[in-house]
Amino acid sequence: ETGVTQTPRHLVMGMTNKKSLKCEQHLGHNAMYWYKQSAKKPLELMFVYNFKEQTENNSVPSRFSPECPNSSHLFLHLHTLQPEDSALYLCASSQAPRTGAGETQYFGPGTRLLVL
Amino acid sequence: GENVEQHPSTLSVQEGDSAVIKCTYSDSASNYFPWYKQELGKRPQLIIDIRSNVGEKKDQRIAVTLNKTAKHFSLHITETQPEDSAVYFCAATPGFQKLVFGTGTRLLVSP
Repeated sequence: ETGVTQTPRHLVMGMTNKKSLKCEQHLGHNAMYWYKQSAKKPLELMFVYNFKEQTENNSVPSRFSPECPNSSHLFLHLHTLQPEDSALYLCASSQAPRTGAGETQYFGPGTRLLVL
Repeated sequence: GENVEQHPSTLSVQEGDSAVIKCTYSDSASNYFPWYKQELGKRPQLIIDIRSNVGEKKDQRIAVTLNKTAKHFSLHITETQPEDSAVYFCAATPGFQKLVFGTGTRLLVSP
């Protein structure tokens, strides 16, 4: 598959479980992002990685732990989540901005997470 | 920090009519303004974007205008079609890669 892929597409977990979300981009980009999309709320940026280094953590609780082993892969490790963490988690990628101006971000299909 | 407000939250039009969605932003440092379309159950997809050194950009039936002084930008869709029905999100970039999104507009185009 081309573009940005995410697995799993759906996930149900209990509050004591540990799970991981995976994102892979096939666009040759070097920046990757995690977003949270909840009902009736704007898309919220969670983390930004440039060339495998985390450059932005938007005050995300520590029960969400990102990992970026290389420029093509991004993970979000989940542990002891709360029901209010239920949402669509979207991954995106882009070229890393060189001049400070924005670069187009391409989104994956998302993982719909339900925490019971 | 940046705050993006988007109106209206829902918009119903007849096929062939025009649709306009408006966004305002608060941070004058924002320099990049993309618009995304998200169909039900699908990923957000970029439909058009504009940078702060440009006042207007057009791509077929879609256009975006930017007023930096007033800190607002708008999406214009002409000759709407049922397949334009979706949720549209505006966003602003106050710094580097930090996209701040509006709350979305649900557009319904009736045949």
